[in-house]
Amino acid sequence: KAGVTQTPRYLIKTRGQQVTLSCSPISGHRSVSWYQQTPGQGLQFLFEYFSETQRNKGNFPGRFSGRQFSNSRSEMNVSTLELGDSALYLCASSAGTAFEQYFGPGTRLTVT
Amino acid sequence: KQEVTQIPAALSVPEGENLVLNCSFTDSAIYNLQWFRQDPGKGLTSLLLIQSSQREQTSGRLNASLDKSSGRSTLYIAASQPGDSATYLCAVRTTGSGNTGKLIFGQGTTLQVKP
Repeated sequence: KAGVTQTPRYLIKTRGQQVTLSCSPISGHRSVSWYQQTPGQGLQFLFEYFSETQRNKGNFPGRFSGRQFSNSRSEMNVSTLELGDSALYLCASSAGTAFEQYFGPGTRLTVT
Repeated sequence: KQEVTQIPAALSVPEGENLVLNCSFTDSAIYNLQWFRQDPGKGLTSLLLIQSSQREQTSGRLNASLDKSSGRSTLYIAASQPGDSATYLCAVRTTGSGNTGKLIFGQGTTLQVKP
């Protein structure tokens, strides 16, 4: 079974621009979560989607948004990029009630 | 507010040694606890998942324990190998209020196993 895939793997953007990251979960997984990882803050939860509905949200500004499609693929969008948004963005999927998270390789975003 | 702490932040051991990584959390009302491994610049690999009703889980040379009442978990690695060198992350899933909660991570322990 294929793992979680994320595209693109690397991205360089300029301050003020917006960016969209994509995540394809493991086949059959309906829950997708997004995390931001930085050297200073570590791994922080952004949001979780299940069956196209956001069912949990972390403490990030409204510039960070996401959505999930009917095939469980998910996208997250960051508008008006700031230098501090430079990070590794990780997506994870899970199935059932065990909530075991399986992570993708991440998208490395650099904001200049 | 749930907080997760991992001690030590870094650890260096000679090959073959058995070692223990520690994880503590402030709120015992957790849904489960998961241990991950992360290699530099890569995503996370799930190692072990312990549900709140369980005391331990084992996979190969790895054994994870959970003591909810004291807010602690340990990851035991037997007969360490250079390939075990990585950052190990502990994460707890909160129970949430009527929902599925969210995963709160510790800062990780970076392990180096020397040949």
